[in-house]
Amino acid sequence: VMTQFPATLSVSPGERVTLSCRASQSLASNVAWYQQKPGQAPRLLIYHASTRATDVPDRFSGSGSGTEFTLTISSLQSEDFAVYYCQQYNHWYTFGQGTKLEIK
Amino acid sequence: EMQLSESGGGLVQPGESLRLSCAASGFTFSDYGISWVRQAPGKGLEWVAVISGSGQTIHYADSVKGRLTISRDHSTSTVSLEIKGLSADDTAVYYCVKEQIDMYTSGWYFDLWGRGTVVTVSS
Repeated sequence: VMTQFPATLSVSPGERVTLSCRASQSLASNVAWYQQKPGQAPRLLIYHASTRATDVPDRFSGSGSGTEFTLTISSLQSEDFAVYYCQQYNHWYTFGQGTKLEIK
Repeated sequence: EMQLSESGGGLVQPGESLRLSCAASGFTFSDYGISWVRQAPGKGLEWVAVISGSGQTIHYADSVKGRLTISRDHSTSTVSLEIKGLSADDTAVYYCVKEQIDMYTSGWYFDLWGRGTVVTVSS
């Protein structure tokens, strides 16, 4: 089970934000993060817990290992307001329930 | 350019079956596993099935086991998902997703998503 918190985060553009994801068992670094905007398919941001995918801006960073993982956006841009999902791929696949970033 | 394109969704009645297709292009089809991930209206993402690049390894989520059949056709670079005994709980956008290997751990994450096809189950 992947538990994301908080479910919703109200933030202002330019702020730094950290999203959290907790696993029910150790996952090593087999965690990915995806961004989904309304009406669009998810997009890969981070894999191996901390490796940015191709063309992902460096304001996005991931960290963690074992059971605790975080996604940090250093300075929120308007295009970053979306839903973010963590996913484990250590044993098949499970997604967290998502964290919605909304404009404050 | 790598692409995945789903088709086959639509409005179906409870109890019926449906076959979804995913056409792949821009990469060596047999080198990569393909998964299906679904998203019910207003809900999160749910992985439902995966087929390996060779087609020899198949796995389903427990929530759908017994009702889904995934297959792939290397001659047409297409992956299919057949869903039997559809119910309202199967109403969702179904995404076809390409896997990519994590070179550090040998796990597989999802690096390419199709736009999805909508399945609505209603009488």
